[in-house]
Amino acid sequence: NAGVTQTPKFQVLKTGQSMTLQCAQDMNHEYMSWYRQDPGMGLRLIHYSVGAGITDQGEVPNGYNVSRSTTEDFPLRLLSAAPSQTSVYFCASSKDRTTYEQYFGPGTRLTVT
Amino acid sequence: DQQVKQNSPSLSVQEGRISILNCDYTNSMFDYFLWYKKYPAEGPTFLISISSIKDKNEDGRFTVFLNKSAKHLSLHIVPSQPGDSAVYFCAGGTSYGKLTFGQGTILTVHP
Repeated sequence: NAGVTQTPKFQVLKTGQSMTLQCAQDMNHEYMSWYRQDPGMGLRLIHYSVGAGITDQGEVPNGYNVSRSTTEDFPLRLLSAAPSQTSVYFCASSKDRTTYEQYFGPGTRLTVT
Repeated sequence: DQQVKQNSPSLSVQEGRISILNCDYTNSMFDYFLWYKKYPAEGPTFLISISSIKDKNEDGRFTVFLNKSAKHLSLHIVPSQPGDSAVYFCAGGTSYGKLTFGQGTILTVHP
């Protein structure tokens, strides 16, 4: 099993550009989530999904969209990138919403200039 | 409002000694608490967890203690090894699997 994979590993965007961060898992996990990590802030939940077709907002959802058309994939879309979205983004998954142990991907480091 | 706080940004210990990492929380609705370990340029990896109805959980060299009245948990690593050097995050979990993380503590174990 590859676990949780994320692409790209690094990305530089200009202000106003849009892009999609990809996340996939091959463990048949129902629950998937996106976090961003900023210095001194820990990891903050952006959006999460408890199953295909179901998504909800986390702590810091503004400026991001998600969809969950399959169990395996959970892409994160930046609609119009801003410098405040410069961060490291982690995707995570767990068996279901009652399983607290989440498996994290390696992260995407995004810089918005 | 930071619901989970790790007030020590860093901790330095000697190899073989005990490492104690601390975490305070304000949300009484957390069902579970977890500790994650993170190496540079990698994603966090799960280390150990504890249910809110327990006060101790042990796994090898790692023990987590929960004091609900003080809203405080701690992670003990005994004995500490150089390979334990990493950033440690504590997190509280509520329904729907949502985790709230602390800011992290950088642990350095010196040989």
